[in-house]
Parts: sequence; C-alpha cells; structure tokens
Amino acid sequence: GIQVEQSPPDLILQEGANSTLRCNFSDSVNNLQWFHQNPWGQLINLFYIPSGTKQNGRLSATTVATERYSLLYISSSQTTDSGVYFCAVGWNTDKLIFGTGTRLQVFP
Amino acid sequence: KAGVTQTPRYLIKTRGQQVTLSCSPISGHRSVSWYQQTPGQGLQFLFEYFSETQRNKGNFPGRFSGRQFSNSRSEMNVSTLELGDSALYLCASSSRGLQETQYFGPGTRLLVL
Repeated sequence: GIQVEQSPPDLILQEGANSTLRCNFSDSVNNLQWFHQNPWGQLINLFYIPSGTKQNGRLSATTVATERYSLLYISSSQTTDSGVYFCAVGWNTDKLIFGTGTRLQVFP
Repeated sequence: KAGVTQTPRYLIKTRGQQVTLSCSPISGHRSVSWYQQTPGQGLQFLFEYFSETQRNKGNFPGRFSGRQFSNSRSEMNVSTLELGDSALYLCASSSRGLQETQYFGPGTRLLVL
C-alpha cells in the first residue's frame, strides 16, 4: 500500500516565525488533504489539494503529484497554530492513508 | 450547518465487553468514515459507509463492525474488547465520499481496562 512520510516529526517555533512541513508519498494519488489536530483532538481540514497551490490566510500548500510530495507553509506563526499537522492521501474513492504527523509547538 | 457530532465523548469499558459508538454527519452528507487513533499506530482507516453500504474497509479484525442508517447516521461496534482497543475513535463525513474534503467530529475516547 501507499506509504506516507511527514517531516520534520517535531517543530518548535517562536511566534512570528515561518515554517515548512513536508509530506512524501510512495505512489500515485489523486486525493491529498492536510489537517490540523488541536490539543483536544479535533481534526480540522486545512486543504484539499491533490495538485497545484492553494492559500488560505497565513497558510498555503503546494502539491507536486508527479514528484510525490506536498508542502504546507505556515507564515507568521501564532500560539494557536500549535498541534499536530497530518497529511492524508488516497486514490479516487479508496481509503485515506494518514502520515505520522508533524507536531508543532509555537511559543510566545 | 451543525458539524459532525459523536457520542459518547468518553467511555470506559473492561476487557471482553462490547461497545457501540455513534456518529451523526453534517446534514446532507451521505458518506461517513471511521478512524482509530493510537499513539503507537497513528491514524488508521477503519471503514467508510455511503448510502447505507460499506464501500471501503481497512485492515482491522472482524470484531470491528459498523452500519449506516437511512438518515446517514452511523454506528461503530467493537466486540470482545481488548486493551489495545483503547484509542480515540474519529468519524468524518462528506457529501460524496473519501475523494473530497473530510469533516471530522470531536471523537470518542475509549479506555479499556
């Protein structure tokens, strides 16, 4: 099955800093989603981005499907950005495979 | 629109018992999927239901089962609980299936003693 690797596993930032999170996958996908899990366990969908680039406020994401990776950019980090960031991939209606996540801690 | 709701939020059971978890999707959504999250295995796909039919299934033993009702609400059942079943169980909903944005509920935390 598809393998999904995320890096770095942990990231510690001061407020205001920028960061880039990476998601590598081992096979072709046409479904890629980024999620943020807050400290209470709630998963929030950030982007549905099987290819191309999208931006939403301080967050943006780029997926290069032909090279099997996706990047999530967080600019001007805030403490509320803390939590775990997951990418999940799939093909058509097949099950979603989640990566192991990047744990982000933002300190004031 | 109200978000995805899950009940109960917390549950404590003992080994050998069975448990039923409930998930109510966003109004109009016909796809409901279930996930198990543990520190050791991460987030793993259990199954997906669409219009009362199981459409996808992950690699879990037959003790894990589910169903979906005509109003799209879904239940997940785990029989003969084991200590390793302690986890956060999450459900997600969408209009058409896994190939679009997934909206997650707050989860049910299950502790098996």
